[in-house]
Amino acid sequence: AAGVIQSPRHLIKEKRETATLKCYPIPRHDTVYWYQQGPGQDPQFLISFYEKMQSDKGSIPDRFSAQQFSDYHSELNMSSLELGDSALYFCASSTITAEAFFGQGTRLTVV
Amino acid sequence: AQKITQTQPGMFVQEKEAVTLDCTYDTSDQSYGLFWYKQPSSGEMIFLIYQGSYDEQNATEGRYSLNFQKARKSANLVISASQLGDSAMYFCAMREGLRSNYQLIWGAGTKLIIKP
Repeated sequence: AAGVIQSPRHLIKEKRETATLKCYPIPRHDTVYWYQQGPGQDPQFLISFYEKMQSDKGSIPDRFSAQQFSDYHSELNMSSLELGDSALYFCASSTITAEAFFGQGTRLTVV
Repeated sequence: AQKITQTQPGMFVQEKEAVTLDCTYDTSDQSYGLFWYKQPSSGEMIFLIYQGSYDEQNATEGRYSLNFQKARKSANLVISASQLGDSAMYFCAMREGLRSNYQLIWGAGTKLIIKP
């Protein structure tokens, strides 16, 4: 069965650079969520989209932005990267019903 | 106050034994959902099991079952016949309300290590 696809799997960037993370949800899922998980921490909700519109906003820094496109894929854009942005970034998708399925994550390292 | 509490930061369990991972939650919503996810060392977040607040029976998925005690606001995960591959972080999470889109509220996780 198709799963949530995230790219890239690993990304190394320098401070003050920009990064773009991509997420391709499970077909027919109308909602996409982004989470950030720091080392040894639980995931922190960043932002979500429902039917291509931003639906919820969590602890997303102003340096980050995200959007969902007409084909339902989503991109998380991160600018002026800081060392503290190093984390595992998860995308998840769901329908109106129960569980959200997560992608394998993008491990971002800022050096 | 913590919405999701996992009181066991880590657990060692002998292979083939059953294990119970604790999770208590706090919500004033009547409608909510409870989830368990497994995160192996490779990092991916794997959905295990879901329990809706109106579900009368405990959820089961293969070796996983959710011991849902609504009055006590607990949703413990039970893994029967543990295997070495069960070693991972386990997160309990909650969705509040019947929303078409939601953000999960996460517990701090329990690190489970299965001993051979």
